[in-house]
Amino acid sequence: AQTVTQSQPEMSVQEAETVTLSCTYDTSESDYYLFWYKQPPSRQMILVIRQEAYKQQNATENRFSVNFQKAAKSFSLKISDSQLGDAAMYFCAYRSAAYNFNKFYFGSGTKLNVKP
Amino acid sequence: DSGVTQTPKHLITATGQRVTLRCSPRSGDLSVYWYQQSLDQGLQFLIQYYNGEERAKGNILERFSAQQFPDLHSELNLSSLELGDSALYFCASSATSGGALGANVLTFGAGSRLTVL
Repeated sequence: AQTVTQSQPEMSVQEAETVTLSCTYDTSESDYYLFWYKQPPSRQMILVIRQEAYKQQNATENRFSVNFQKAAKSFSLKISDSQLGDAAMYFCAYRSAAYNFNKFYFGSGTKLNVKP
Repeated sequence: DSGVTQTPKHLITATGQRVTLRCSPRSGDLSVYWYQQSLDQGLQFLIQYYNGEERAKGNILERFSAQQFPDLHSELNLSSLELGDSALYFCASSATSGGALGANVLTFGAGSRLTVL
């Protein structure tokens, strides 16, 4: 089974600074999808950004961008100009692109603290 | 509002009891997933349904069961509850069981917080 590893249980960043959260995954597949979800204190799960493995271009969504390194099986999330509202748990997730393969694999999460 | 509706939002019950959590997926989504999140823990995948049929099973206890109805809403039944079953239970939906990326994004409900005393 695929595994997703987030090796940083907790990180801190100063407001307006940049922070990078790490995620690695293990798979033998060539086509798959990767996601970052945010869980603020409200505990609602919110999609932050997504990436298709066949696309070499890194996904960006406003202040959020990823560094997708397919060969290294790495999918890090960069948050620029950090804001207090970015404080949350961040989960990395993997899903196979194979038809009828249904499971999403989530990492254990990284808690991001934003200091004013 | 994500479009995925979960009820009840909060539930307090006693050990040994049985509860039912309900989920209505986002309009047009055929696939429903259930996840359990204990305090300060990650997401544990329980089970997934697609258009009424079970498609994938995770670490779901035998005391737990689920189903998806013809109108696509889903229910998660938890019985013989134990203290350790206290958790946030998420339902998530996606459009299909395969296909393009947009169809495979998980949209989560707000969760049902279960407290077993």
